[in-house]
Amino acid sequence: LAKTTQPISMDSYEGQEVNITCSHNNIATNDYITWYQQFPSQGPRFIIQGYKTKVTNEVASLFIPADRKSSTLSLPRVSLSDTAVYYCLVGTGFQKLVFGTGTRLLVSP
Amino acid sequence: KAGVTQTPRYLIKTRGQQVTLSCSPISGHRSVSWYQQTPGQGLQFLFEYFSETQRNKGNFPGRFSGRQFSNSRSEMNVSTLELGDSALYLCASSLTTGLGGGSEQFFGPGTRLTVL
Repeated sequence: LAKTTQPISMDSYEGQEVNITCSHNNIATNDYITWYQQFPSQGPRFIIQGYKTKVTNEVASLFIPADRKSSTLSLPRVSLSDTAVYYCLVGTGFQKLVFGTGTRLLVSP
Repeated sequence: KAGVTQTPRYLIKTRGQQVTLSCSPISGHRSVSWYQQTPGQGLQFLFEYFSETQRNKGNFPGRFSGRQFSNSRSEMNVSTLELGDSALYLCASSLTTGLGGGSEQFFGPGTRLTVL
């Protein structure tokens, strides 16, 4: 089971781009990388998922280098409502997602 | 399309009692997973059901059990409650089991269980 390491917390200001990097040195060939966002007292919300290179959707981009031992979630122009905990998960289909401690992002005015 | 619903939203029980939590997945989703979230342990995977069969199981004692019905609705049962079972119990549904296309999990609002 791939273990992930990500910063415990990050601070940013409104309008800035935020990049959260996750380390997963023992990622397996079949593993996908998935990011979730969670607000207090709510269930996590899927942000983005990728396997290699770059994936972009309407809310974020996910950058995965060739060796796949790390990944970076990029949030463009954050707002106060992006203050949340962000989880990086790595896994295949044969075990459900293992959530780490996540990164607490605080966006200030 | 309606989201994942969980009932009840809040529950207070005493030690030794048992509890049943219910989860209705998004229409068409066949995979239902359960998670426990506590401040100390974070989010921990309990088990996953797909087409009425338990497909994956986390590292929890046998007091935690679940089932899935033919309409994909799922229930989770905890017997002989302990104080440490106080947590937010989250249910998530997805189209498929596994990861990759169709595997995005949609979480419900959770059931807050307090054991006194």
